[in-house]
Amino acid sequence: KAGVTQTPRYLIKTRGQQVTLSCSPISGHRSVSWYQQTPGQGLQFLFEYFSETQRNKGNFPGRFSGRQFSNSRSEMNVSTLELGDSALYLCASRRPILAGVPGELFFGEGSRLTVL
Amino acid sequence: TQLLEQSPQFLSIQEGENLTVYCNSSSVFSSLQWYRQEPGEGPVLLVTVVTGGEVKKLKRLTFQFGDARKDSSLHITAAQPGDTGLYLCAGVNAGKSTFGDGTTLTVKP
Repeated sequence: KAGVTQTPRYLIKTRGQQVTLSCSPISGHRSVSWYQQTPGQGLQFLFEYFSETQRNKGNFPGRFSGRQFSNSRSEMNVSTLELGDSALYLCASRRPILAGVPGELFFGEGSRLTVL
Repeated sequence: TQLLEQSPQFLSIQEGENLTVYCNSSSVFSSLQWYRQEPGEGPVLLVTVVTGGEVKKLKRLTFQFGDARKDSSLHITAAQPGDTGLYLCAGVNAGKSTFGDGTTLTVKP
């Protein structure tokens, strides 16, 4: 069973540019979440999509956006990049709830963004 | 805002020692999960605890969920270099996971 795939793995941008990151969840998983991970702030929740609808949203500015397609693949976009946006962006798909136990998150390897 | 505090933030020990990592919150969670992350990879689930007071064992790892479902602990017995990594706790409510800042564990041979 293929895992969560994120592309690109590494990218370098300059301030003011925009970036789009892609995530392909595990087959059958309809929930996709995005997280930003930095040494100082830990793992911060960006948003979650389920069946092409944004279900939850974290406390990030409007420069951060996302979407989900009918095949559950998801993209996130960051516009007008700032130096502070440099981070590892992790995508995770969630297994459906079984017997009342919440599904675990399956993470991709992440996209490491460096903003110069 | 639901916050999870993990302690210690960094832990460096010798192989064979025991250790405990704590995850505390003022919020109640329906369940709590522990993940481990190695460099260059995403976090991987170790365990999910659901019931207050629940204790789960995974080989040398023992996980406990507090009676009030606000805190949890991870105890590792006889740590090995392969246990090195970032340990993250995540509280789950209404399908949303909130992560602690993590504990970076280094086990020296």
